[in-house]
Amino acid sequence: QTVVTQEPSFSVSPGGTVTLTCGLSSGSVSTSYYPSWYQQTPGQAPRTLIYSTNTRSSGVPDRFSGSILGNKAALTITGAQADDESDYYCVLYMGSGISHVVFGGGTKLTVL
Amino acid sequence: QVQLQESGPGLVKPSQTLSLTCTVSGGSISSGGYYWSWIRQHPGKGLEWIGYIYYSGSTYYNPSLKSRVTISVDTSKNQFSLKLSSVTAADTAVYYCARWGIFGSHFDYWGQGTLVTVSS
Repeated sequence: QTVVTQEPSFSVSPGGTVTLTCGLSSGSVSTSYYPSWYQQTPGQAPRTLIYSTNTRSSGVPDRFSGSILGNKAALTITGAQADDESDYYCVLYMGSGISHVVFGGGTKLTVL
Repeated sequence: QVQLQESGPGLVKPSQTLSLTCTVSGGSISSGGYYWSWIRQHPGKGLEWIGYIYYSGSTYYNPSLKSRVTISVDTSKNQFSLKLSSVTAADTAVYYCARWGIFGSHFDYWGQGTLVTVSS
């Protein structure tokens, strides 16, 4: 069974930079998985941030960026702001495998 | 601007079938290039992909739910639906519908979500 791994929690100081990662329990994440990233605040639907590894969704500030770092997908927030405190989920497209779409477990980001 | 709106009962009895509908506005389900998706989130937990459907009727499901899930589409009403059979308390969750773009392989529009509670 494919498991997409994310850090359960992370903290960053206001104005600081943080990188969240998205890995696979077995194997490496590459651009072929079209990693995407979503931000969710309590009680709200997810908001799309990044898709196809590094393309920002419309209206997303450029302090959010995506990349591949080593064998994982990464979401970097530069100049973190208080309202960046949210849950962040990555999604990998597995293609014609057993499960087309797999969510990571999410990372709870605290800005303090 | 595409908008998605979930609707359906907020309370379902154990062993019964959960049924939800997602109404799409601002765009046509039949336009192609997108899969129409269902995702759920257990209280206080992460997101789980349930499955999606193309306007032609092709479906793909999460293997862990496949035996109980049916997703269908009604292009005349610009709606798609979810049926989850034999529900238990473990199916209590917020259910979201969303659009999955084939180009870029990502969810680009989301409904606001609807809480479904399984309880007698």
